[in-house]
Amino acid sequence: DAGVIQSPRHEVTEMGQEVTLRCKPISGHNSLFWYRQTMMRGLELLIYFNNNVPIDDSGMPEDRFSAKMPNASFSTLKIQPSEPRDSAVYFCASSLTGGKNIQYFGAGTRLSVL
Amino acid sequence: SQELEQSPQSLIVQEGKNLTINCTSSKTLYGLYWYKQKYGEGLIFLMMLQKGGEEKSHEKITAKLDEKKQQSSLHITASQPSHAGIYLCGADIGGQNFVFGPGTRLSVLP
Repeated sequence: DAGVIQSPRHEVTEMGQEVTLRCKPISGHNSLFWYRQTMMRGLELLIYFNNNVPIDDSGMPEDRFSAKMPNASFSTLKIQPSEPRDSAVYFCASSLTGGKNIQYFGAGTRLSVL
Repeated sequence: SQELEQSPQSLIVQEGKNLTINCTSSKTLYGLYWYKQKYGEGLIFLMMLQKGGEEKSHEKITAKLDEKKQQSSLHITASQPSHAGIYLCGADIGGQNFVFGPGTRLSVLP
């Protein structure tokens, strides 16, 4: 298996632009997590899906952030409009059935908002 | 996450030395996971501990979960430059909640 695949690896955009991050989980995994990592706040869970349904989105910073999982093999995290404080590394992870199992991480998307 | 604390924040050791990283929680941990992250990469799973007093080893890395299930330690024996990176503990703290510690940055000098 190729593991969790994220795209793009790097994204540079200007403030106010829409940003879409993509994730393909490991085949057969039914839980998917989006995290944000910064020096100041460390690794933060943004949202967690189970069987394509959002279970916990309490970590989503504000309405500018939205996440979807239209099917078991694809998820997106969208920021609209983007702001400089959104600059961070965004990770996607997948696991078998929930947070009580080992999570496998993608390589991350490094986002810079100018 | 404030639920999990790690110490030390960073560590520099000479190759061949032993070291220990700690992860502490104020809440009971229903599962404790150790991950390693290299710069610019995602997290790699190392070990999972679920029972109080449990200890697991893989190569030169040993992880333990204390009896009260509120503290875990990660011990590296005879460290090598390949052990360098950021070590993060993650924990299932009940319900749907999973949190990570702030990480410990390890440098191993050759």
